[in-house]
Amino acid sequence: DARVTQTPRHKVTEMGQEVTMRCQPILGHNTVFWYRQTMMQGLELLAYFRNRAPLDDSGMPKDRFSAEMPDATLATLKIQPSEPRDSAVYFCASSDRDQETQYFGPGTRLLVL
Amino acid sequence: AQSVTQLDSQVPVFEEAPVELRCNYSSSVSVYLFWYVQYPNQGLQLLLKYLSGSTLVESINGFEAEFNKSQTSFHLRKPSVHISDTAEYFCAVSETGAGSYQLTFGKGTKLSVIP
Repeated sequence: DARVTQTPRHKVTEMGQEVTMRCQPILGHNTVFWYRQTMMQGLELLAYFRNRAPLDDSGMPKDRFSAEMPDATLATLKIQPSEPRDSAVYFCASSDRDQETQYFGPGTRLLVL
Repeated sequence: AQSVTQLDSQVPVFEEAPVELRCNYSSSVSVYLFWYVQYPNQGLQLLLKYLSGSTLVESINGFEAEFNKSQTSFHLRKPSVHISDTAEYFCAVSETGAGSYQLTFGKGTKLSVIP
């Protein structure tokens, strides 16, 4: 049963600390998306990659957020330094290039104190 | 740029009653339309999608949605809801032919099924 996995599932940290979230897309999928979900803003696209290259990261605060794909099986989203307003659920999703459907991971629930 | 409006943030409904969750979109180009469902503390799962062809699409668990181009709507319906349908439902849109399949989501509708 192929699925997107994300680690950690939960993270509590203090303001100013670095946070790294990881995503393993479905094997063979070449497009990876990062979303943030908050009560106020709903689901927002932060960035996405195709064939490991960033195609759009306009939704991501550039000063503290960074996203990478070190290889085809791993995508990372880093926040440095973290702030309380970054508290949210961060979702990763993947899709095959020729498929419209995105498959979502279970999310990382981040709380910054 | 597209936008999606889900007119109801919360919809309570009694078990076995019918339900309609409303979704309207705005786009200057042709779109694909999706409904995703999110159960508590889980990720989003695709419920159904409209890409082309028949404007009425169905899911395996009894939901259906109809694409209405003139009204720019994609409302989700179920004739008889079950307790297990309690979840948050998100309508989403992406541009056809864009190749990126970036999704724009609505704010979601929380469906609460009352026993």
